[in-house]
Amino acid sequence: DAGITQSPRHKVTETGTPVTLRCHQTENHRYMYWYRQDPGHGLRLIHYSYGVKDTDKGEVSDGYSVSRSKTEDFLLTLESATSSQTSVYFCAISDLKAGSYNEQFFGPGTRLTVL
Amino acid sequence: DQQVKQNSPSLSVQEGRISILNCDYTNSMFDYFLWYKKYPAEGPTFLISISSIKDKNEDGRFTVFLNKSAKHLSLHIVPSQPGDSAVYFCAASDSGSGTYKYIFGTGTRLKVLA
Repeated sequence: DAGITQSPRHKVTETGTPVTLRCHQTENHRYMYWYRQDPGHGLRLIHYSYGVKDTDKGEVSDGYSVSRSKTEDFLLTLESATSSQTSVYFCAISDLKAGSYNEQFFGPGTRLTVL
Repeated sequence: DQQVKQNSPSLSVQEGRISILNCDYTNSMFDYFLWYKKYPAEGPTFLISISSIKDKNEDGRFTVFLNKSAKHLSLHIVPSQPGDSAVYFCAASDSGSGTYKYIFGTGTRLKVLA
């Protein structure tokens, strides 16, 4: 398994509170991604990073911000959590190599419940 | 607008038979395709890939077929085993965009019956 950890693995929070999820990798991969998985929607990209301090929005970025101050860590912040952000969040990493399709490797996920 | 579609939410197959999971896409610029398998409470696991320069890629019991004119790909699992029971996602990317992002389908839940 690629060295990807996510913390916390489970979190319950209340509407309106800020929440930060952490993704940590030991693979020195350049690209990192945050997805959310919801029934009927599959995996949807929230934000991604193509290097330290280089980030961009995905398809469902509203209400989320990210930061990447070093290669190994990618943080996802919900500024003011809402019930619609109850989901399972996955971090993924990838790297460009010759002959590679930039396959992404996923972490174990964080289950977030917003009450 | 769903650019990558998996129209079958679920599929049941007898052990030992072939499982065929389908995926359709709308963006003709997509040229890299991946399949992932996901067990409950785990992250998706990369299974197999194919680029648009090929129409078939094989890895053990898993074969992916790509029909570019139909914008359709399929994953064949032969023979199916109970351990293959999982949710399968297809994903597509436009390598020319320079963003290295993949768009995922909604997934198909495969159940292999013993």
